[in-house]
Amino acid sequence: EIVLTQSPGTLSLAPGERATLSCRASQSVSSGYLAWYQQKPGQAPRLLIYDASSRATGVSDRFSGSGSATDFTLTISRLEPEDFAVYYCQQYFTPPWTFGQGTKVEIK
Amino acid sequence: QVQLVQSGAEMKKPGSSVKVSCKASGGTFTSYSFNWVRQAPGQGPEWIGDITPTFGLANYAERFQGRVTITVDISTSTVYMELTSLRSEDTALYYCARDAAVKSPYFNSWGQGTLVTVSS
Repeated sequence: EIVLTQSPGTLSLAPGERATLSCRASQSVSSGYLAWYQQKPGQAPRLLIYDASSRATGVSDRFSGSGSATDFTLTISRLEPEDFAVYYCQQYFTPPWTFGQGTKVEIK
Repeated sequence: QVQLVQSGAEMKKPGSSVKVSCKASGGTFTSYSFNWVRQAPGQGPEWIGDITPTFGLANYAERFQGRVTITVDISTSTVYMELTSLRSEDTALYYCARDAAVKSPYFNSWGQGTLVTVSS
């Protein structure tokens, strides 16, 4: 199965700063079949990005995704208070669909 | 957008089984795949398997093969996940989630989660 490794584990930033989250795959995720989710305490994950760079309906343009093959990035251009959460990547190129272990974005 | 409502929390003994339900309302039921994803405390999500109501065929992650059964009742728009031979490591929040589009296994609709606790 494809293993997704996210880094860093925790990102400490202030509101207004830029966040850059990484997701590295153990083998190529062709066609950019990678999604990003945001999860807040006590809530289910929320889809942000699919196909590596397409924003889901209703997602702020502060969120952008990029990358290909084995290296993918989620960028939050200017952190708002509601953006502090845990973020997961998920590949859907090869079953079983797998998720990363998450990056927590916390307030500095 | 479809709404997914899951059954309530379960407390189970090791070696027993649990069956969790997920009822869908709104949106199209038959054409999209429904998935089961679990999340242990402090861990990332883990995909268990899926089913497409139109075909009724389920797919499972290899590590759950032989222990999990996913079924669907089209008449009630409900999907079920049964996990047998429970062990303490199966303690987790279990989510159902629907594909965002046909044959697009990323998930834009999620249930509220069902906590399954396995303890003697």
